[in-house]
Amino acid sequence: GAVVSQHPSWVICKSGTSVKIECRSLDFQATTMFWYRQFPKQSLMLMATSNEGSKATYEQGVEKDKFLINHASLTLSTLTVTSAHPEDSSFYICSWSPPEADTQYFGPGTRLTVL
Amino acid sequence: AQSVTQLGSHVSVSEGALVLLRCNYSSSVPPYLFWYVQYPNQGLQLLLKYTSAATLVKGINGFEAEFKKSETSFHLTKPSAHMSDAAEYFCAASGAGSYQLTFGKGTKLSVIP
Repeated sequence: GAVVSQHPSWVICKSGTSVKIECRSLDFQATTMFWYRQFPKQSLMLMATSNEGSKATYEQGVEKDKFLINHASLTLSTLTVTSAHPEDSSFYICSWSPPEADTQYFGPGTRLTVL
Repeated sequence: AQSVTQLGSHVSVSEGALVLLRCNYSSSVPPYLFWYVQYPNQGLQLLLKYTSAATLVKGINGFEAEFKKSETSFHLTKPSAHMSDAAEYFCAASGAGSYQLTFGKGTKLSVIP
């Protein structure tokens, strides 16, 4: 149980383009989910917390207009990196926090490379 | 605010040797504590968690961790390392009832044949 998928698993795009990453919970529903970013050889950094039907709460230093989060259902959330630049290249990981669960369930991650 | 410190960014052990990965937390209230493992280009997999029940927690793949309030520690151990244990390990903490996790910087475990 508690399976989370992300699509795509990797993507390469040109600078200035936008990229959408999907995160789905496959066998459970949850109101709250999270988006993280992980640079090489570093830890996960929380980007935003999202509750279904509400605007996401972004961490300090994360541009909400650049990283658009759409959390339209209890099983699907998307992160769109708008006007991507090489410095946005990173590993993006989502997680869900089901009700009455005391942990988060993580997706396999999406490797974004911006040329 | 909580913080999580992992001592040693890289640990090497011989196959069959004891694995010890250190984690200390900083919190006025004992938090929930977690160990996750990450294999290359993959997401995080939960190894074990402490949520104020038994202080010695057993997880998957033969790992266990002991919560020591007096030392504010939650070190991860495994009696005998296997080659497949080579990965990045993250210690994390959250407040009781809070969904948000604070991660340590991670420790890369290498297993030498």
